[in-house]
Amino acid sequence: GAGVSQSPSNKVTEKGKDVELRCDPISGHTALYWYRQSLGQGLEFLIYFQGNSAPDKSGLPSDRFSAERTGGSVSTLTIQRTQQEDSAVYLCASSLGVSGTLYEQYFGPGTRLTVT
Amino acid sequence: RKEVEQDPGPFNVPEGATVAFNCTYSNSASQSFFWYRQDCRKEPKLLMSVYSSGNEDGRFTAQLNRASQYISLLIRDSKLSDSATYLCVVILSGAGSYQLTFGKGTKLSVIP
Repeated sequence: GAGVSQSPSNKVTEKGKDVELRCDPISGHTALYWYRQSLGQGLEFLIYFQGNSAPDKSGLPSDRFSAERTGGSVSTLTIQRTQQEDSAVYLCASSLGVSGTLYEQYFGPGTRLTVT
Repeated sequence: RKEVEQDPGPFNVPEGATVAFNCTYSNSASQSFFWYRQDCRKEPKLLMSVYSSGNEDGRFTAQLNRASQYISLLIRDSKLSDSATYLCVVILSGAGSYQLTFGKGTKLSVIP
């Protein structure tokens, strides 16, 4: 079946512009996660959606970052007034649920964001 | 103490060798544990869940030591294709709270 898809695969933007990154999770997966990974660094958890519950935004680095998930499926991560330090690969993952092995996450290929 | 710690390596091992990595976690209430592998400039891919009783999948064995708060990954008969960065994930969830932490990874290079 289809895996997690993300678009665009690459995005180059100028400092100060807003960007939107899209994630299509695996069909039937109720949980969706956003991470970012800077070059040579580990994964930084950003935000997590589970079903219709309010998202856990505890990992968002600043109020310039926001995310929404419409209809319990597709999610959009928005970064306003981008800064050079926002340059990273933004990864989306989804999982069937949120207990035990249901936490097994499947990742999309990521969006490589470069802020010039 | 960091929430989740891994030795960054690199571990350079010859083909056919056995290699083991550990991942320590600080919160004793953590409940779910996983190993992922990540190839250079690729997304992480699930390798295996870690069960309380330990589990094996082919050449890979994962174990959980709750008393000492670490999980381990053992790779037997290493192949060149095992070269990657291995990430552990530790999850803690409860009423109204959720915490998911990836380790920074251990790099493995299997040498011919």
